[in-house]
Formats: sequence, C-alpha cells, structure tokens
Amino acid sequence: DQQVKQNSPSLSVQEGRISILNCDYTNSMFDYFLWYKKYPAEGPTFLISISSIKDKNEDGRFTVFLNKSAKHLSLHIVPSQPGDSAVYFCAASVAGATNKLIFGTGTLLAVQP
Amino acid sequence: ETGVTQTPRHLVMGMTNKKSLKCEQHLGHNAMYWYKQSAKKPLELMFVYSLEERVENNSVPSRFSPECPNSSHLFLHLHTLQPEDSALYLCASSQELTDTQYFGPGTRLTVL
Repeated sequence: DQQVKQNSPSLSVQEGRISILNCDYTNSMFDYFLWYKKYPAEGPTFLISISSIKDKNEDGRFTVFLNKSAKHLSLHIVPSQPGDSAVYFCAASVAGATNKLIFGTGTLLAVQP
Repeated sequence: ETGVTQTPRHLVMGMTNKKSLKCEQHLGHNAMYWYKQSAKKPLELMFVYSLEERVENNSVPSRFSPECPNSSHLFLHLHTLQPEDSALYLCASSQELTDTQYFGPGTRLTVL
C-alpha cells in the first residue's frame, strides 16, 4: 500500500505558464516533505522541501504548499521553462526517521516551447 | 569527479553470476544509501549506512549484500539474482542521517 501517491503520471504545460504537480499521502506521522527532480540518465536532485510546521515554502520559481488536513502537497513552478521538463518525485519522512524517505512514483512534466 | 558516482552504469547478468555495484561520494558525507527503483514503482530504500555502520536494512533478500569499507565508498554485492531484481539501483549520500540526500546516476541492472 503506497503511503505517498502521485496520481498524475504525466503533465504537459506551455512555456511561461504555471505547472502544478500534486502529491497525496496517507501517513499522518509524516512531518517532512521533499520534491526531487530527475532528468533521464541522471539521479534525482533535491529541489525543495517543507516541514509540517509550515504551509508554504518558496524558492525562486518553485513553491511547495502543504495542506495537512487534506494530506496533500503541491509543487508550483512559475513561470515554467522547457528546462523544467523532467520527472518530479514527491517524498516524505517521519520525525526521527528523516533518513527513511518514502517516495511517490513520479510525474513526468513536459514544458512545451 | 564530483558528487556521487556509480559504476557500472549498465549491467546485464545471468542468475548464477556474482557481480558488484560500486558507489563513491566526493562530498565528505557520513551517510550512504542504496535504493531500488523497479519499473512503474517508487524508489524503495534498501540499506542505510552511517559512519560505515549499517543502520537500516529494509527486509532486503540476502542475495543483496551491502558493504561500506569507508565513508566514501559503498558496494552492493549481487549473487543468484532473479529476473524480478532487474531495476535501477541508486546510491545516495547525505552529510548526516537527517540531511538532504544527494543521488548518483544509478546502475541499470538486467537479470536474464
């Protein structure tokens, strides 16, 4: 049973528009969430994270929103650029076990020029 | 070399072979990890090492045997694998167990 779910396997967005990637989780003990980005033939690279004490974290064009009551987080990329085309993984961990990341299956984002 | 490197990048082996995957991190980190990513499945944590001591073993079959001779190197020894073990094997490292993990490019393993 997957504890972290990314229900959209793919997403296509026009350059300059907003990309919204979604992630749902089932374990209410998760208190730290991360987004990783992966290009083909490369390993995942850390993008942005958020602790459960916050509901928003922003870093340049990337913003992560956390809705604890809905057990939902989302990654907003604005404006989207063709170089953002990659697979995005959501991950979560429990306090005291932050090394045990539980990943979603990923969403392939394609940003069209 | 910078970051986390993994060799080989691709490996094809028979079920009776013995092979090893190698991971090296050039970041001065103290913790290292092995993950498995099968097709259409999420990354699954296999093993965690901190300061060369294994701190996590996620119910991984004994045909996978990790080794961490020092804080910069991590190996995954493979023997008598099954076709369902075919997957992308990713290594990662972090400064400490609670810090952000940095991944290598992975080894694509095919078991015939």
